[in-house]
Amino acid sequence: EPEVTQTPSHQVTQMGQEVILRCVPISNHLYFYWYRQILGQKVEFLVSFYNNEISEKSEIFDDQFSVERPDGSNFTLKIRSTKLEDSAMYFCASRGTSAYNEQFFGPGTRLTVL
Amino acid sequence: LAKTTQPISMDSYEGQEVNITCSHNNIATNDYITWYQQFPSQGPRFIIQGYKTKVTNEVASLFIPADRKSSTLSLPRVSLSDTAVYYCLVGPQGTGGATNKLIFGTGTLLAVQP
Repeated sequence: EPEVTQTPSHQVTQMGQEVILRCVPISNHLYFYWYRQILGQKVEFLVSFYNNEISEKSEIFDDQFSVERPDGSNFTLKIRSTKLEDSAMYFCASRGTSAYNEQFFGPGTRLTVL
Repeated sequence: LAKTTQPISMDSYEGQEVNITCSHNNIATNDYITWYQQFPSQGPRFIIQGYKTKVTNEVASLFIPADRKSSTLSLPRVSLSDTAVYYCLVGPQGTGGATNKLIFGTGTLLAVQP
């Protein structure tokens, strides 16, 4: 069964450093998302991406964040200058055009900012 | 997007049927009701979606009364591996370029015991 993959599974970085989280969505999907979940809290929407551009972003997704689909398979989230409060689990999701429009989530990248 | 309310936690035993009810009093006419499941340190996973009456798949059933102000996820004969957080989400399905972001609440932590 096709699945969304994410790398790395765990990333440790120093405050102020740039990180890039990588995702490979399901191959025939057209809609891509990033969510994050701070430990013990809700899953929060960050950004959606369709047709090579951002379709919606949340208040969390400020100028420090950017997304890119550099080729036909990868979808990346970059955090330019990490803060302690960016420590969280980051989930990538993709969606096709099924009747249910369900989003398929990857296993997540745990980002720890020291 | 319609606000949802569901119990914070529920306990059950293996082999029992579990019903988790979600309230969504201000659901809109074009909103669908979708349930996701999340295991610890994993991304959410789509379980079931419905608009009205009853929907059943190989995993669960979803009961939606005529006024659609609530819904009940029914898990038949739960096992230990069904221990997870269950989220009720309400929103439009959307087509084309619609963002279809998912807004998660705190969910219901279901603990299944032997």
